[in-house]
Amino acid sequence: GAGVSQSPSNKVTEKGKDVELRCDPISGHTALYWYRQSLGQGLEFLIYFQGNSAPDKSGLPSDRFSAERTGGSVSTLTIQRTQQEDSAVYLCASAAQLNYGYTFGSGTRLTVV
Amino acid sequence: AQSVTQLDSQVPVFEEAPVELRCNYSSSVSVYLFWYVQYPNQGLQLLLKYLSGSTLVKGINGFEAEFNKSQTSFHLRKPSVHISDTAEYFCAVSEGTGANNLFFGTGTRLTVIP
Repeated sequence: GAGVSQSPSNKVTEKGKDVELRCDPISGHTALYWYRQSLGQGLEFLIYFQGNSAPDKSGLPSDRFSAERTGGSVSTLTIQRTQQEDSAVYLCASAAQLNYGYTFGSGTRLTVV
Repeated sequence: AQSVTQLDSQVPVFEEAPVELRCNYSSSVSVYLFWYVQYPNQGLQLLLKYLSGSTLVKGINGFEAEFNKSQTSFHLRKPSVHISDTAEYFCAVSEGTGANNLFFGTGTRLTVIP
C-alpha cells in the first residue's frame, strides 16, 4: 500500500482480556518495528522484524507481549491478559533501509479499563 | 547504550519568531540522526535526517538541523514559525554501524502562539 496501515485505530478492552493489534507495512519494506508511546514518555521500542524473523525482542515489557510477522508483510502484536498500564498508543513503522528513516502508521490507541 | 535527550519538554513561541529545539545524544560510534514531527492524532512524519556529509541538513517545512559531533548534538531550527508548526517533535538516533533500531527522545511540544 501507499503507507503503513494499522488497525484498529482505537481499542477499548477490559482488564484481563487479550488484544491483537495489526500492522500492514509498505509493500517491499523488509524491516518492521513496533513502538509504544505513552503520555509524556516518548517512544518505547518493543520489537523489530527483518523479514519474518525478530532479531531484537529486547523491548517487549513482559511475557504477556508477543509479536509475529508472516510472509514478510503483515505483523500482529498480541497482548495477553491486558493490564491498565498497557494503555498507550502502539505505533508500527516500516523501512526499506534504516538510513532512509522509518515510515510510521497512525497508531492504535489502546485503552484498558 | 544509546540515549537521546531532549531537554525541553515544551517550547512556546510566538508566530514568525525563530525557534530551536535541542537534542543531545550519547554514542561512541558514528550515528545516523533524525527528527520526526507528530501532528495531533497522527503518526510520526520524517522531518529530516543526517547520515553523512554536510553537517547542516535541510528538511521539509523550512526546518533545518545541524550535526555537531564534538557536542553530540543535533538541534532543530526554523527561522520563522507558523501556527501550523504546532506539534510534537522527536529526535532519534541510530548507530550507523549496522544497527537496525532507532532510539527516540521523549519529545518536545512546540506551541506556536498567534
